[in-house]
Amino acid sequence: GAVVSQHPSWVICKSGTSVKIECRSLDFQATTMFWYRQFPKQSLMLMATSNEGSKATYEQGVEKDKFLINHASLTLSTLTVTSAHPEDSSFYICSATRPPRSTDTQYFGPGTRLTVL
Amino acid sequence: ILNVEQSPQSLHVQEGDSTNFTCSFPSSNFYALHWYRWETAKSPEALFVMTLNGDEKKKGRISATLNTKEGYSYLYIKGSQPEDSATYLCAFQTGANNLFFGTGTRLTVIP
Repeated sequence: GAVVSQHPSWVICKSGTSVKIECRSLDFQATTMFWYRQFPKQSLMLMATSNEGSKATYEQGVEKDKFLINHASLTLSTLTVTSAHPEDSSFYICSATRPPRSTDTQYFGPGTRLTVL
Repeated sequence: ILNVEQSPQSLHVQEGDSTNFTCSFPSSNFYALHWYRWETAKSPEALFVMTLNGDEKKKGRISATLNTKEGYSYLYIKGSQPEDSATYLCAFQTGANNLFFGTGTRLTVIP
């Protein structure tokens, strides 16, 4: 159990367009989902924490108007990269926890490779 | 941003060899230490969550130890197999689910 899917697995888009990435928990309800990104040779960096039905909490330096997060249901969170630019090219990966223990494992999706031309 | 370091960055071992890698993390504000195995094109797979100083966890041929006072954790793989080839990530948790990841150790097991 505890499978998280992510779609698409890769996307190429033109500069200025918006891209939506979906993260779904397939066999459990996730009240909290997380979005990370990873630049080449760097570690996974938390972008935002998303709770179902409420606004996401963004990490310092992450523009909330550029990276729109919607967590409309207990099994789905979406990340929309608005007006994407080449510097947004990165690997984006989501995770989810099962409530309620705070030390509970985060279950990850397989990630999305975004390339902005 | 907390500094979590993993070493080595990569290593190659022969099938059957045992190996180990290190994760170093801040010794203050410790809540938990996570280990993940990440195979290419797949989701990171949770291996261990460790919370207490002196913790030892084992899963098959893989085990991990934790020293929160000095801020390090070791991951051991006994009798490496080709299917163990992956990147092993550690993540330091301070609380409230915030994980700070290292850059990983990429293991290649040569048949």
